[in-house]
Amino acid sequence: NAGVTQTPKFRVLKTGQSMTLLCAQDMNHEYMYWYRQDPGMGLRLIHYSVGEGTTAKGEVPDGYNVSRLKKQNFLLGLESAAPSQTSVYFCASAWTGFEQFFGPGTRLTVL
Amino acid sequence: EDKVVQSPLSLVVHEGDTVTLNCSYEVTNFRSLLWYKQEKKAPTFLFMLTSSGIEKKSGRLSSILDKKELFSILNITATQTGDSAVYLCARGGNRDDKIIFGKGTRLHILP
Repeated sequence: NAGVTQTPKFRVLKTGQSMTLLCAQDMNHEYMYWYRQDPGMGLRLIHYSVGEGTTAKGEVPDGYNVSRLKKQNFLLGLESAAPSQTSVYFCASAWTGFEQFFGPGTRLTVL
Repeated sequence: EDKVVQSPLSLVVHEGDTVTLNCSYEVTNFRSLLWYKQEKKAPTFLFMLTSSGIEKKSGRLSSILDKKELFSILNITATQTGDSAVYLCARGGNRDDKIIFGKGTRLHILP
């Protein structure tokens, strides 16, 4: 089992470009989450999903969109990247009880 | 406001010392309080606490939740250099299934 995987691992964008981050899990988890982590800020919830076809806003959703078309995948989109979105992005999944399993992270730099 | 506050933000101790990390929160009705350890990469799960007053233990680590006073502590006894990490606390889903993290405590163990 691969657990939670994230693609890509690193990415550099120019301001205004768009991109999609892919999170995949093979544990049949219902819940999936996208977080961003900035120095000294802990993990901040961007969007989350409680099942296939559902999404909801987290603490810092502005500038991001998500989709959960298949249970195992959770996509995070940036339509027009800004330097403020430079961060490390973590995806996580959970079954019940909220024990989350995290992916390895994606380091995104927006110039 | 729905906050999770961790203290101290950073801590430096010598190997063999005992440390206590604190986590306080504001939401009164939630399903779980979670502790994670983050070294250089993704957070790894330590404990999930759902009931007040019941201690959970794993080796030299232990944690307890006080739902009346709205806080949790993580204790590490006989610390080792391998315990150096950022320790994250999160409160699990309320009615909205969000998992909200604190900013973390950066622990550094000196040999």
